[in-house]
Amino acid sequence: GEEVAQTPKHLVRGEGQKAKLYCAPIKGHSYVFWYQQVLKNEFKFLISFQNENVFDETGMPKERFSAKCLPNSPCSLEIQATKLEDSAVYFCASSQQGYQPQHFGDGTRLSIL
Amino acid sequence: DQQVKQNSPSLSVQEGRISILNCDYTNSMFDYFLWYKKYPAEGPTFLISISSIKDKNEDGRFTVFLNKSAKHLSLHIVPSQPGDSAVYFCAASPFQGGKLIFGQGTELSVKP
Repeated sequence: GEEVAQTPKHLVRGEGQKAKLYCAPIKGHSYVFWYQQVLKNEFKFLISFQNENVFDETGMPKERFSAKCLPNSPCSLEIQATKLEDSAVYFCASSQQGYQPQHFGDGTRLSIL
Repeated sequence: DQQVKQNSPSLSVQEGRISILNCDYTNSMFDYFLWYKKYPAEGPTFLISISSIKDKNEDGRFTVFLNKSAKHLSLHIVPSQPGDSAVYFCAASPFQGGKLIFGQGTELSVKP
């Protein structure tokens, strides 16, 4: 597609439950990025992929967060045993290659109760 | 350690005038810079970018200036329109295909 598609738009989970977020990058884009926006104007990088390979995972909390980008499937970000502090908007972005700009989806708002 | 800083949380400008949004960075290894515009409940929308080998890039009403010695970039919007009212983020990338480091954003309000 021509846009980065993120689902669901809003996800509510009780503390300790699992949360799984999905992202379909723009067709033909080989890089996928995940960012977390906790406070209104602060973006934190989590992980990036080049095709199905992890490119950079320096921002990922290793204990409970995992992510995948498999061929012919949407990319996913999974949080096990969610905590209140995981409440945030999670944005996915994709880019064609190299220095091409990243294009963002509209995010998934995760609310942990 | 905030590597990309936007020191003005907000800016108000009259319609038709120039809007100038500023951004400072600390990491001299950054070599690709971008500006994004964001409306509430939407993702950031790419506006314009510049690589470190240039000092200016122009696209319609938007111009980005890069001053590497001062580690400073700015976005000029001329003329400003009410539809430009949004939060503007500058971002920097340290290498090809790399993650973006965002500033805190500046909320621009363009008054009719």
